[in-house]
Amino acid sequence: QVQLQESGPGLVKFSETLSLTCTVSGGSINNYYWSWFRQPPGKGLEWIGYIYYSGSTNYNPSLKSRVTISVDTSRNQLSLMLRSVIAADTAVYYCGRHPPGVGAFDPWGQGTLVTVSS
Amino acid sequence: DIQMTQFPSSLSASVGDRVILTCRASQGISSWLAWYQQKPGKAPKLLIYTASSLQSGVPSRFSGSGSGTDFTLTISNLQPEDFATYYCQQANSYPYTFGQGTKLEI
Repeated sequence: QVQLQESGPGLVKFSETLSLTCTVSGGSINNYYWSWFRQPPGKGLEWIGYIYYSGSTNYNPSLKSRVTISVDTSRNQLSLMLRSVIAADTAVYYCGRHPPGVGAFDPWGQGTLVTVSS
Repeated sequence: DIQMTQFPSSLSASVGDRVILTCRASQGISSWLAWYQQKPGKAPKLLIYTASSLQSGVPSRFSGSGSGTDFTLTISNLQPEDFATYYCQQANSYPYTFGQGTKLEI
């Protein structure tokens, strides 16, 4: 079965760039949409944006000016970059797959906590 | 953006109970609603999609209903493993948005 695993630095300095990778195993990244999400400690979920395996993207307007999502089909990976981070960007970051025609996300990665330090 | 409001924000129940969680959208979303279960330190788990379709592998005691702006998640015969936080999510329009969650407690 398909599994997703996020990876990247757990600590990012204020104003720098957060970079995470999501590795897909047990299945191909092709022919699916893939999203990034985040969840600040003790709070709810926020959709960051998606990428199709072909490279087309759609971002949450609240983050659009600072976010880039990319895909590497040869490595079965997608990546997230969030520029100019602030304390409010401290969160657990998840990646997830969109099954077609479902309007929902499954499966999700286990998540990775990123803390923005001053 | 479409605002999703869940109520109650928390709910106490007992094993064997039947509970109903509610989610309301700020505008009509047809049936483009999903429900997730999240336990502490874990990723959300998809339970229901398109308002009433049960995700494969999810117990049949979970059921969803509704369309337009008002939706419910019903959990029958609560089991100890069902105590968690539940989120709704709309997929009618971008940006996709989530409710603030309902925490189901013993």
